[in-house]
Amino acid sequence: GQQLNQSPQSMFIQEGEDVSMNCTSSSIFNTWLWYKQEPGEGPVLLIALYKAGELTSNGRLTAQFGITRKDSFLNISASIPSDVGIYFCAGTGSSNTGKLIFGQGTTLQVKP
Amino acid sequence: GAVVSQHPSWVICKSGTSVKIECRSLDFQATTMFWYRQFPKQSLMLMATSNEGSKATYEQGVEKDKFLINHASLTLSTLTVTSAHPEDSSFYICSARGFTEAFFGQGTRLTVV
Repeated sequence: GQQLNQSPQSMFIQEGEDVSMNCTSSSIFNTWLWYKQEPGEGPVLLIALYKAGELTSNGRLTAQFGITRKDSFLNISASIPSDVGIYFCAGTGSSNTGKLIFGQGTTLQVKP
Repeated sequence: GAVVSQHPSWVICKSGTSVKIECRSLDFQATTMFWYRQFPKQSLMLMATSNEGSKATYEQGVEKDKFLINHASLTLSTLTVTSAHPEDSSFYICSARGFTEAFFGQGTRLTVV
């Protein structure tokens, strides 16, 4: 079945630094979504991407839907301590069932 | 964004009992809801897809008789963990799909003792 490879697995950065994480797939995805999950909570949608090449920002967050439709990245600029959490990429594939396939997650820690 | 409410947020039950978890879409109608399970430090694992008015579709390896899913209305889906055992202890999360995006509930921490 379709799978997403997300990297890096974890990051430990200094406050103020920029962060970049990405997801790749061996098959085409129709939608890319980026979520943030904090301990004991459900994932919260950060950015949704619907078209190849689309570049979307949400405050300090920027994400892009790769032109090949097989990858996406998320950038966080000028990180702050509250950016700490687990970031997941997710996508819907060609089956059109609406099922989300998740990446393994990137754990972000920010040192003040 | 849209609101999905999941209840309870945590539950402790005795081994052999059943537990019901509710998932409600509060401000939109969700024809499709999804149930996930998440182990510590791991990603979300899809258990089943629930469509309003029809039987749920379970992922491979998920026992449909153990994890009963009911999607009686466009705003409510329930997951019942039957005859729970300690290995069923986990974080269960529902998701409701709107027009194009999926929104998640807060999750339910189930502990079976």
